Amino acid sequence: DTGVSQDPRHKITKRGQNVTFRCDPISEHNRLYWYRQTLGQGPEFLTYFQNEAQLEKSRLLSDRFSAERPKGSFSTLEIQRTEQGDSAMYLCASSSRAGVVETQYFGPGTRLLVL
Amino acid sequence: DQQVKQNSPSLSVQEGRISILNCDYTNSMFDYFLWYKKYPAEGPTFLISISSIKDKNEDGRFTVFLNKSAKHLSLHIVPSQPGDSAVYFCAAWGFGAGSYQLTFGKGTKLSVIP
Repeated sequence: DTGVSQDPRHKITKRGQNVTFRCDPISEHNRLYWYRQTLGQGPEFLTYFQNEAQLEKSRLLSDRFSAERPKGSFSTLEIQRTEQGDSAMYLCASSSRAGVVETQYFGPGTRLLVL
Repeated sequence: DQQVKQNSPSLSVQEGRISILNCDYTNSMFDYFLWYKKYPAEGPTFLISISSIKDKNEDGRFTVFLNKSAKHLSLHIVPSQPGDSAVYFCAAWGFGAGSYQLTFGKGTKLSVIP
């Protein structure tokens, strides 16, 4: 399967702990996105990479959140000093822009529960 | 403030009939619209898209209609099948929360009854 993969699929942590999630995009895709989805809501954009450069960050991304894509392939999203409000599904998506059309392909997500 | 609104949280349709899912948006600068389908425990899957310069796009059983003057789009599924039961998200490309991004609605849960 050459789709987008995310690890871990589930994470339970205690408030104040740090967590890190990994995303492996489709290999030929140069764009990678992180989203957060809470219950009853659609995915909310967090940040976007083109190759290794982080080009866009939403105001939703507080300074406790940091994302990297060091070699332009996989990406990590770290949350420091987790809070209960961080409990959500964290989705990664990748794409390869073709003209004006950009279709994002999503991974299965990492479900985070902060106790 | 929700820029992409899906006002129906759920919809039930008989198998074989038409499913119509609606989406309204407030940002006139949105230039590209997409529909995604999501099954439980999976990420959203791209379904169909439409550019703001068009008013209709069709792909098999799925057709998306765009009414720019009303800032409204709809997804028609004909005929509906039980496997179509999922949450459907409307999404639009444009500026939001300080960046150019894909903005999603809250989703509509479609149940197709055999």
